[in-house]
Amino acid sequence: IAGITQAPTSQILAAGRRMTLRCTQDMRHNAMYWYRQDLGLGLRLIHYSNTAGTTGKGEVPDGYSVSRANTDDFPLTLASAVPSQTSVYFCASSRLSGRDNEQFFGPGTRLTVL
Amino acid sequence: GEDVEQSLFLSVREGDSSVINCTYTDSSSTYLYWYKQEPGAGLQLLTYIFSNMDMKQDQRLTVLLNKKDKHLSLRIADTQTGDSAIYFCDRGGTALIFGKGTTLSVSS
Repeated sequence: IAGITQAPTSQILAAGRRMTLRCTQDMRHNAMYWYRQDLGLGLRLIHYSNTAGTTGKGEVPDGYSVSRANTDDFPLTLASAVPSQTSVYFCASSRLSGRDNEQFFGPGTRLTVL
Repeated sequence: GEDVEQSLFLSVREGDSSVINCTYTDSSSTYLYWYKQEPGAGLQLLTYIFSNMDMKQDQRLTVLLNKKDKHLSLRIADTQTGDSAIYFCDRGGTALIFGKGTTLSVSS
């Protein structure tokens, strides 16, 4: 089934630990994105990648890193987690052509940092 | 101000019409979008409008676009409990700015 998947579904993490959130899409979309969603703050872009091999910073990139070694995968790494990174994280992808920039979202990862 | 602004909450009774409004500061995008987020799920595209259109109707949904005033609205006719969700306006393009979303609560 074509789409975008994220893993894990949820995670509880001790502060200071390293964590990688995984995101995979099989739609051959050029662009991929990571957002965090917090109550009252809406969706905020963390990092993005317009094509394999390139990445860019979004609105709230500090404390996060990404890589885009291939078209399908776009992992998000928290090098040393802090409680303020407790959030729901959404990965998304888009073609960046055709119908402009319609985005397809994954189901989300709920992360709690204690 | 914010690039995209929406009111945070809307509460309606089942069967009534709902109108969710969005204002944005700039859009050179070909399309503008409305996304729906149901509880515990990611966003899904609900509808979109081509930037040279004023209105688009899709079953119970009507999208109105006023480019001069930079205003986008979503009207849901005969609102159902299943319409309860958060609705996000996206002005399109590569700027990737979503509003904070409007939480629609439908009571029976």
